[in-house]
Amino acid sequence: NAGVTQTPKFQVLKTGQSMTLQCAQDMNHEYMSWYRQDPGMGLRLIHYSVGAGITDQGEVPNGYNVSRSTTEDFPLRLLSAAPSQTSVYFCASSYRGMAEAFFGQGTRLTVV
Amino acid sequence: SQQGEEDPQALSIQEGENATMNCSYKTSINNLQWYRQNSGRGLVHLILIRSNEREKHSGRLRVTLDTSKKSSSLLITASRAADTASYFCATGSSSNTGKLIFGQGTTLQVKP
Repeated sequence: NAGVTQTPKFQVLKTGQSMTLQCAQDMNHEYMSWYRQDPGMGLRLIHYSVGAGITDQGEVPNGYNVSRSTTEDFPLRLLSAAPSQTSVYFCASSYRGMAEAFFGQGTRLTVV
Repeated sequence: SQQGEEDPQALSIQEGENATMNCSYKTSINNLQWYRQNSGRGLVHLILIRSNEREKHSGRLRVTLDTSKKSSSLLITASRAADTASYFCATGSSSNTGKLIFGQGTTLQVKP
């Protein structure tokens, strides 16, 4: 099994551009989340989903959109990239809401 | 922010010594989890302790949880150079959403 797969691994965007970070899991997990990791700040929750068709905001949702049309996929969209969105983005999934999370390898995004 | 706090922020020890990291959190929880992150990689789950448990072991790892003090500790015994990584605590709430609130992490260096 591949687990949680994120693409791309690296991306450079210009301010104002939009893009979608892809996340797919093959473990049939209902729960999926997006986090960003900035130096010295740990991981902060952007958006999460408890199942297909259900999403909600986390701690830092501004500037990001998500949708969950299938159990497997949970893409994160940056609407108009800003330098403040330069970060490492992690997608995670879990089979229950109160269980361990499995993380992807991350997408390192730089906005110039 | 509901982020927890970890201390120390950085820890440097010799191979064979024990490493202890502490985590404090602010709200009531369903569980507390510890993750490891090697440089530039995704997070790997180490251990989960539920709010009704006080201590848990997994190989060289020992985790304690004191819900009255809202704190947890991770002990790595007989450390190895391969244990060099960042360690994060994360709390899961009772809301069954899969959301995790992360601490800022402890960077551990184990010198051979």
